[in-house]
Amino acid sequence: DAGVTQSPTHLIKTRGQQVTLRCSPKSGHDTVSWYQQALGQGPQFIFQYYEEEERQRGNFPDRFSGHQFPNYSSELNVNALLLGDSALYLCASNHYRGANPLHFGNGTRLTVT
Amino acid sequence: DQQVKQNSPSLSVQEGRISILNCDYTNSMFDYFLWYKKYPAEGPTFLISISSIKDKNEDGRFTVFLNKSAKHLSLHIVPSQPGDSAVYFCAASAGNNRLAFGKGNQVVVIP
Repeated sequence: DAGVTQSPTHLIKTRGQQVTLRCSPKSGHDTVSWYQQALGQGPQFIFQYYEEEERQRGNFPDRFSGHQFPNYSSELNVNALLLGDSALYLCASNHYRGANPLHFGNGTRLTVT
Repeated sequence: DQQVKQNSPSLSVQEGRISILNCDYTNSMFDYFLWYKKYPAEGPTFLISISSIKDKNEDGRFTVFLNKSAKHLSLHIVPSQPGDSAVYFCAASAGNNRLAFGKGNQVVVIP
């Protein structure tokens, strides 16, 4: 039973560029959430996708956008990269209904130079 | 605005002894609380959760206690094992599975 998988594992981009990160949820899960974890901090909620729609959004600018596909997989896009976007980006999945724990992938380490 | 706070960033404990991690929250709408463990180069792994209708939940060596009036929860690990050395995150949500995380506690279990 595959857990949450993310690609790529590492990425180096230049300021001003655009990046796309990908995520496949755990089998049986229908909801995907994205989190940003800066060094020494806890993960910060970016947004949540269910039924191919953004359901909730955290305090992140419009440069951060996402998409969910019919097979429940998801992408996170970040435009006009800033140095401060350097972080570990975590994808998590769970069931939309009811309180249930998020299962996280191993993340994509993004470095912006 | 940090809604979930974990003080004492690091903890060292002897193997076999109890590890106690504490967490405070400010949002009274939180009704579901979780602890995650994170090893370097891996994502957070779910450990244990508790809903606001309970004050204690136990799973093997892990027990979480919730004190709603104090807006405080704690994680007890007993006995501590070397494999428990990791960063532990406290998280909470308000019925929407959108988690607010603390900054984490580094636990080192000394063999």
